[in-house]
Amino acid sequence: DAGVIQSPRHEVTEMGQEVTLRCKPISGHDYLFWYRQTMMRGLELLIYFNNNVPIDDSGMPEDRFSAKMPNASFSTLKIQPSEPRDSAVYFCASTRIGGNTIYFGEGSWLTVV
Amino acid sequence: AQKITQTQPGMFVQEKEAVTLDCTYDTSDPSYGLFWYKQPSSGEMIFLIYQGSYDQQNATEGRYSLNFQKARKSANLVISASQLGDSAMYFCAMRVIQGAQKLVFGQGTRLTINP
Repeated sequence: DAGVIQSPRHEVTEMGQEVTLRCKPISGHDYLFWYRQTMMRGLELLIYFNNNVPIDDSGMPEDRFSAKMPNASFSTLKIQPSEPRDSAVYFCASTRIGGNTIYFGEGSWLTVV
Repeated sequence: AQKITQTQPGMFVQEKEAVTLDCTYDTSDPSYGLFWYKQPSSGEMIFLIYQGSYDQQNATEGRYSLNFQKARKSANLVISASQLGDSAMYFCAMRVIQGAQKLVFGQGTRLTINP
C-alpha cells in the first residue's frame, strides 16, 4: 500500500507569494494531520481533520494559514501571503480510528526568501 | 495539558552497544498512547514502536523495546546492538486517547553511532 503522499517535496518561494502544500492520506484512514517542524519550535500540530471535518485548528499560527480537506483522499495547506518565518518542513500524517500507528509523509520542505 | 520531555539533546554510542533514550511524560488522563519515531537526515518520520497505557507488557519491535514505567511516567526507548544506520533524531510522542487524536512531541534526541 502507498504511504502518505505529499507534494511538493521542496519549494522555494518569494515572500508574499501564495504557497499550497498537498497531501494524500493512506486509503481508509479517518484522521489527517498537518504538522510543522522548525529548529526553534520542534514539531507542532497545526490542524487535524476527522472524516474530512476540521476538528482542531488551534495550532494554525494566523489567518495567513488555511487548510481544507474536500474529500477523504486529499488535503491542502495554504499560506497566503508567505513570509520568511514560515520556512519549515510541513508534514502530513494520517491514521485510522483506534489505530496505534500514525503514518507520516516525507514532508514538504518550504523556504521563503 | 500533556507534555513530553526528552532530556538528552544528543548521545554518542559505540556501534553494537545498547542505547537507552529517555522520555518522560505528563498527563492526567488514564488512557493514552506513547510513540517513538526516528527521523534520519533525509527527513522522513519513521514509526518505531507503540505502548498503550493499559498494556501489561513492554512493547518490543525487533531491536527496539520500550521500557514503560507507568508510576514514574517514563517511556524510554531501548535499542539493542546499535548499528551505524541508527544514527538519527529520535522523537517520543504521546496521544491522549479519550481526547483529541493529536500527538504531542518531545524535542528529540540526536543519536550518533560511532564505528
